[in-house]
Amino acid sequence: EAGVVQSPRYKIIEKKQPVAFWCNPISGHNTLYWYLQNLGQGPELLIRYENEEAVDDSQLPKDRFSAERLKGVDSTLKIQPAELGDSAVYLCASSLDGRMGGEQFFGPGTRLTVL
Amino acid sequence: AQRVTQPEKLLSVFKGAPVELKCNYSYSGSPELFWYVQYSRQRLQLLLRHISRESIKGFTADLNKGETSFHLKKPFAQEEDSAMYYCALTNTGNQFYFGTGTSLTVIP
Repeated sequence: EAGVVQSPRYKIIEKKQPVAFWCNPISGHNTLYWYLQNLGQGPELLIRYENEEAVDDSQLPKDRFSAERLKGVDSTLKIQPAELGDSAVYLCASSLDGRMGGEQFFGPGTRLTVL
Repeated sequence: AQRVTQPEKLLSVFKGAPVELKCNYSYSGSPELFWYVQYSRQRLQLLLRHISRESIKGFTADLNKGETSFHLKKPFAQEEDSAMYYCALTNTGNQFYFGTGTSLTVIP
């Protein structure tokens, strides 16, 4: 099994442009997470989905970031417009369910560079 | 507020020496603690979690609620242990917090 799939792996855009990241979780995993990882830092949760419902988006900058998980499977994270400070790795993870203590499986990440 | 602190950004040990990666947390309730590892050019993956009370690849971690610590230990480091290690916490609200990570280098 491929595990969590993310695309693209790398993206370079100019500031003020829009960008979208796609994530396909492990089959059967109900919980999906999007994380932001800045250089030299640990992942920071942006949003967590239980099926198609966003149950925790408290750290998502809603003025420019949006996410969706239609049909409770794939998910897309969008930034519009992108700023220089958005340059980072965006990680997607999934888990079987959102119970406390459950293992998260991570994708390879998308490295975004905003020029 | 929950917080996970890993005081060492970089840690180098010789092969065969004991290794300890420190992790301290702040949370008023009963958290679940994890160690995740990222080997070079690989994905972030779970190494161990305290509820399992297991040893993975020779690593163990004990939750010390009095000291609010969850240090990762291995008695004899191996070269293949060189990686980035992240301590993480989840609370009863299923919110997840990672530390800033410790880069471990095992010197041959």
